[in-house]
Amino acid sequence: KAGVTQTPRYLIKTRGQQVTLSCSPISGHRSVSWYQQTPGQGLQFLFEYFSETQRNKGNFPGRFSGRQFSNSRSEMNVSTLELGDSALYLCASSLNLDEQFFGPGTRLTVL
Amino acid sequence: QKEVEQNSGPLSVPEGAIASLNCTYSDRVSQSFFWYRQYSGKSPELIMSIYSNGDKEDGRFTAQLNKASQYVSLLIRDSQPSDSATYLCAVKGSGGSYIPTFGRGTSLIVHP
Repeated sequence: KAGVTQTPRYLIKTRGQQVTLSCSPISGHRSVSWYQQTPGQGLQFLFEYFSETQRNKGNFPGRFSGRQFSNSRSEMNVSTLELGDSALYLCASSLNLDEQFFGPGTRLTVL
Repeated sequence: QKEVEQNSGPLSVPEGAIASLNCTYSDRVSQSFFWYRQYSGKSPELIMSIYSNGDKEDGRFTAQLNKASQYVSLLIRDSQPSDSATYLCAVKGSGGSYIPTFGRGTSLIVHP
């Protein structure tokens, strides 16, 4: 069974731009969560989607948004990028809303 | 605020030794506990999940949970240099509406 896939793997943007990241969960998993990981803050929860509905949201500004499609694929968007948004963005999928399986991540660099 | 505490390390052990990684959590209603391994530059990989007090063994890994003390640990027997990584502890409440809280991780170095 294929794992969680994320695209793109690497991204370089400049301040003020926006970015969209994509995540395809493991087949059959309907829950998708997004995390931001930085050396200074560790793994920070962004939001969780289940069956196209956002069920939980972390403490991030409104510039961070996401959605989930009917095939469980999910996208997250960051608008008006800031230097501090440089991070590894991780997507995790779950079958039973418990164990999470992470994708390889998208490394975003904001210049 | 829910907190998960881990010693950042690094924890250095010789090859073949037992590595002991510890994690404490603040939320008493926590029901699910996970250990992830993260190699440098890679994403976290689920190693173990544990839900009941006591020990759970999987190969060289043993997770130990003590809900009364709000403490969960991971033992790695016969440590190998390939075990060198950061180990993240994650704690989750019951039901699907709770999100997991991750610790900052403990860096483990296994030297030959």
